[in-house]
Amino acid sequence: QVHLVQSGAAVKKPGSTVMLSCKASGYTFTNYNIIWVRQAPGQGLEWMGWISPYNGDKNYAQKFQGRVNMIADTPTSTAYMELRRLRSDDTAIYFCGRNSYDSSGYGYFDYWGQGALVTISS
Amino acid sequence: QSVLTQPPSVSGTPGQRVTISCSGGSSSIASNTVHWYQQLPGTAPKLLIYANNQRPSGVPDRFSGSKSGTSASLAINGLQSDDEADYYCATWDDSLNGRGVFGGGTKLTVL
Repeated sequence: QVHLVQSGAAVKKPGSTVMLSCKASGYTFTNYNIIWVRQAPGQGLEWMGWISPYNGDKNYAQKFQGRVNMIADTPTSTAYMELRRLRSDDTAIYFCGRNSYDSSGYGYFDYWGQGALVTISS
Repeated sequence: QSVLTQPPSVSGTPGQRVTISCSGGSSSIASNTVHWYQQLPGTAPKLLIYANNQRPSGVPDRFSGSKSGTSASLAINGLQSDDEADYYCATWDDSLNGRGVFGGGTKLTVL
């Protein structure tokens, strides 16, 4: 069975960097993109970007360009998301997900990690 | 402000049918398939409907999706108390270089 297990909660200071992990199991890691989505307290879902573990291709939301880096480590089937220059409004739960494909070519997110709360506080 | 527009809240009584709308544009919903996610309080989102109207295994047939033009909708028949959750539509936007977009979410309250 497919599982995505994320690293734990983190408390970071403004201006610092956080790196979250997402370990995949139960399927061939390189066959599916990994997406990252975040949810600020009391708010909706926000798409951050995806990475292809197959070839390393990435696509980030414009809002995070220059601050985010997504990595896929194929030997350990683990995806990482690094967010730099943290601000108070980066406080959110960060989810990873598996991107399956449909006829449109882009697809949908059929499995999700449990989420990791990142709190930015001085 | 989300690229996709959903009503902030809907409500219904047990057994009723409710629908949740999702409005987008020519580069988003009209050009791509729409997916729906259910998020129970304190949990990760769960895929409810994919490719406009397909149900993953395990999702009851009380849930159905449809799409027409630049809009999509999720229907829930025979409302149950444990359907109370947040629901999000999602697709991709070709005007944003194929980036993913979510609706703002709809809180379903079962009265």
